[in-house]
Amino acid sequence: QQQVKQSPQSLIVQKGGISIINCAYENTAFDYFPWYQQFPGKGPALLIAIRPDVSEKKEGRFTISFNKSAKQFSLHIMDSQPGDSATYFCAARRGAGSYQLTFGKGTKLSVIP
Amino acid sequence: KAGVTQTPRYLIKTRGQQVTLSCSPISGHRSVSWYQQTPGQGLQFLFEYFSETQRNKGNFPGRFSGRQFSNSRSEMNVSTLELGDSALYLCASSFKGGAQNIQYFGAGTRLSVL
Repeated sequence: QQQVKQSPQSLIVQKGGISIINCAYENTAFDYFPWYQQFPGKGPALLIAIRPDVSEKKEGRFTISFNKSAKQFSLHIMDSQPGDSATYFCAARRGAGSYQLTFGKGTKLSVIP
Repeated sequence: KAGVTQTPRYLIKTRGQQVTLSCSPISGHRSVSWYQQTPGQGLQFLFEYFSETQRNKGNFPGRFSGRQFSNSRSEMNVSTLELGDSALYLCASSFKGGAQNIQYFGAGTRLSVL
C-alpha cells in the first residue's frame, strides 16, 4: 500500500520556468512533510519541510504548499535552473519520536536551457 | 563536520551469500535509519536504531537485520542474498531533538547480486 503518492514521474521545464511536483497522502497521523533532492551518485538531501499547521513555507526559490483537508502538498521551484535537474522525493513522517519516513516514488526533473 | 559515511560504496555478491554494510553517523547523532532504494519501489524504510535499540522495522523479511553500537555506528546484514536485493542501501542519521528532526543521508552502498 503506497501511503504517499507523487506525480508526475518525470518533468521537463525550461530554464526560468516554474516546476511543480505534487504529493498526496492517506495517513492522517503524518505530522511532518519534507522534500528531498537527490543527484546521481549521491544520497537524498533535505530541501525544505513543512508541518500540517502551516499552509505554505518558502525558502528562496522553493515553496511548499500544504492542503490539510485535501491531504495534499506540493513543491514549487520558481525560476528553475539547469542545476535544479535532479530527482525530487516527497516524504511524510508519522508521529514525533520516530524518524521513519515514507517516501513518494520520486520525480525526475530536467531543466533545459 | 563530516557527513554520514557508508562503506563500502560498491559491492558485488552472488546469490546465497551474505553481506554486511556499515554506516558511521554524523558525530553526535544517536539515531540511524536504513532505507533500500530501487527503481521500482523507490525508497523503502528498513529499520531505525536509537541508542543501540531498534525502534522501528519496515516490512522486510527476516534476512534483513541490523544493529547499532555504543558509538552510534550501525551495520546492516542481509543473509542468503537474492537477485531482488540488488539496490542502493542508504543510511541516515539524526540528532534527537534537533530542528525538525532532520535526517542526513549518506551516499549509500550500491549492492549488486549476481
